[in-house]
Amino acid sequence: NAGVTQTPKFQVLKTGQSMTLQCAQDMNHNSMYWYRQDPGMGLRLIYYSASEGTTDKGEVPNGYNVSRLNKREFSLRLESAAPSQTSVYFCASSYAPQGYEQFFGPGTRLTVL
Amino acid sequence: TQLLEQSPQFLSIQEGENLTVYCNSSSVFSSLQWYRQEPGEGPVLLVTVVTGGEVKKLKRLTFQFGDARKDSSLHITAAQPGDTGLYLCAGAINNNAGNMLTFGGGTRLMVKP
Repeated sequence: NAGVTQTPKFQVLKTGQSMTLQCAQDMNHNSMYWYRQDPGMGLRLIYYSASEGTTDKGEVPNGYNVSRLNKREFSLRLESAAPSQTSVYFCASSYAPQGYEQFFGPGTRLTVL
Repeated sequence: TQLLEQSPQFLSIQEGENLTVYCNSSSVFSSLQWYRQEPGEGPVLLVTVVTGGEVKKLKRLTFQFGDARKDSSLHITAAQPGDTGLYLCAGAINNNAGNMLTFGGGTRLMVKP
């Protein structure tokens, strides 16, 4: 039982490059989330998927796209990376979006030069 | 301006001291969660408080939800080096997809032996 897994753990991109962050959970959770964490800002929601087949924008969606591939997997894509997207990205899942405990992955540290 | 303001942002204390972390907002939350995050890892849930005025204890940690469900506090008694970490509060606000979590900026605690 791995919980929430994320790949890669570290990534360095040049401005304008694209990449996809992968996330998978094995807890049979319905809801999945992508956050970014910047110093002093806590966690800010980028996109979420309340259930399989649905995705919605969070607080800071600009420059990102997501895909809920199936119940287990939720990916985050940066089409044209910018230095402002340098951050630590966390994927999380929960049984449902109604204030349930969220389980977080270990994070991806992304640097955009 | 963040919806949830945490204070203090940083706290460095000696082992055995007591401390309180505050989480304040002008918004009403349906529930409030406290997470603890260690370096290189994702946040892990400590507690969820739901009822206004609720107090929950977890060993040396005491959590309180304000009567109006707009604020919360975390009190640690006789802090130990193992308490070192980033403490995050997160309030659940209802939107069309359910109760989404909004996070505070975090309090970074260091307990020196």
